[in-house]
Amino acid sequence: GENVEQHPSTLSVQEGDSAVIKCTYSDSASNYFPWYKQELGKRPQLIIDIRSNVGEKKDQRIAVTLNKTAKHFSLHITETQPEDSAVYFCAASRGTAGNKLTFGGGTRVLVKP
Amino acid sequence: GAVVSQHPSRVICKSGTSVKIECRSLDFQATTMFWYRQFPKQSLMLMATSNEGSKATYEQGVEKDKFLINHASLTLSTLTVTSAHPEDSSFYICSARDRDGTYEQYFGPGTRLTVT
Repeated sequence: GENVEQHPSTLSVQEGDSAVIKCTYSDSASNYFPWYKQELGKRPQLIIDIRSNVGEKKDQRIAVTLNKTAKHFSLHITETQPEDSAVYFCAASRGTAGNKLTFGGGTRVLVKP
Repeated sequence: GAVVSQHPSRVICKSGTSVKIECRSLDFQATTMFWYRQFPKQSLMLMATSNEGSKATYEQGVEKDKFLINHASLTLSTLTVTSAHPEDSSFYICSARDRDGTYEQYFGPGTRLTVT
């Protein structure tokens, strides 16, 4: 089955700096890669996603890049703010009817004011 | 739109009893719902995929006789934790995929189960 590795497990940045989180996946048939932000005790919230026919996607301060050949994708957050502090998860799926998501281990991001 | 609810939000039960958790898609129809378990400071682990009108598909290592899943309608799936033990204490989250939608899954708010 699919295996998703996520690094780093914790990330501390100064407010205004950029944060980068990287994930690798094992299943070459995976074609859908969402990123979620989860605050303590809350549901995961989709912040951005990308499909395999696209190499990069951007939404304001957030961007995701995908390298299908190398089977890795990354989340980039620019101009970080204290409210960006949370746990971020990457995930991968084949995008078929079953659409089973396999999650990475998570990255705890702390933005210091 | 695309709202998923869960009930209850938190429950405390005694060891050996059973607990039922409901997951509802409020404004869309979901042929497929998913149940995850999340232990403190860990990732979401898929327990099973629930398909409307058919048996759930369980992930390896998940006891199907302990975690009973029923997906009786296009808007409701239930997870019953039978004979609960303290090690079953966890955060249980469901998600649903819109039958007519894209690949996105919509997550419920989660249920905090504590078994004493």
